Amino acid sequence: LAKTTQPISMDSYEGQEVNITCSHNNIATNDYITWYQQFPSQGPRFIIQGYKTKVTNEVASLFIPADRKSSTLSLPRVSLSDTAVYYCLVVGAGGYSTLTFGKGTMLLVSP
Amino acid sequence: GAVVSQHPSWVICKSGTSVKIECRSLDFQATTMFWYRQFPKQSLMLMATSNEGSKATYEQGVEKDKFLINHASLTLSTLTVTSAHPEDSSFYICSAGPGGQPQHFGDGTRLSIL
Repeated sequence: LAKTTQPISMDSYEGQEVNITCSHNNIATNDYITWYQQFPSQGPRFIIQGYKTKVTNEVASLFIPADRKSSTLSLPRVSLSDTAVYYCLVVGAGGYSTLTFGKGTMLLVSP
Repeated sequence: GAVVSQHPSWVICKSGTSVKIECRSLDFQATTMFWYRQFPKQSLMLMATSNEGSKATYEQGVEKDKFLINHASLTLSTLTVTSAHPEDSSFYICSAGPGGQPQHFGDGTRLSIL
């Protein structure tokens, strides 16, 4: 399983764009990059998943360079409620692969 | 979207008690479900993979006789913590996902053993 590395913590202010970068140097050809958000005392919530280039949904964008050895989660105009831990995972195709969680990035959004 | 429901959300019980936690896939069938444990300020650690109609697969260091998993139907997996002790106090989370789609997680069960 590809190991991921992301910053332990990040600070931001309301209304700013936040970019969280994750490195996954050993990603395999069939692996997808998936991001989850977790609030205290809740299960992780799926944010976005991508394979290459750029993926965008209603809450975030995911940028993946051609070599796929890293990815960047972009959160536009964060609010206080975006304060959470964000996990970057590399997941095998098929949806039944076990998920290996790293330490995640604690994002603190201040007023 | 895929919904995973977990029950109960919070349990407090005496040492030596067995506790059962349920994980249900509400709008899809799940032949495979996963159980995680999370200690305070730590990441999720996979405990076991629950397989419908067959034995669960446990991660190294997880006692199968301590954490009993039953996956008797395509929408329900249960985790029973047998003879729970204070060191078993933790946040237990399950996940499941329709084939080919990202995993979705339950809201977790906070287990406190006195």
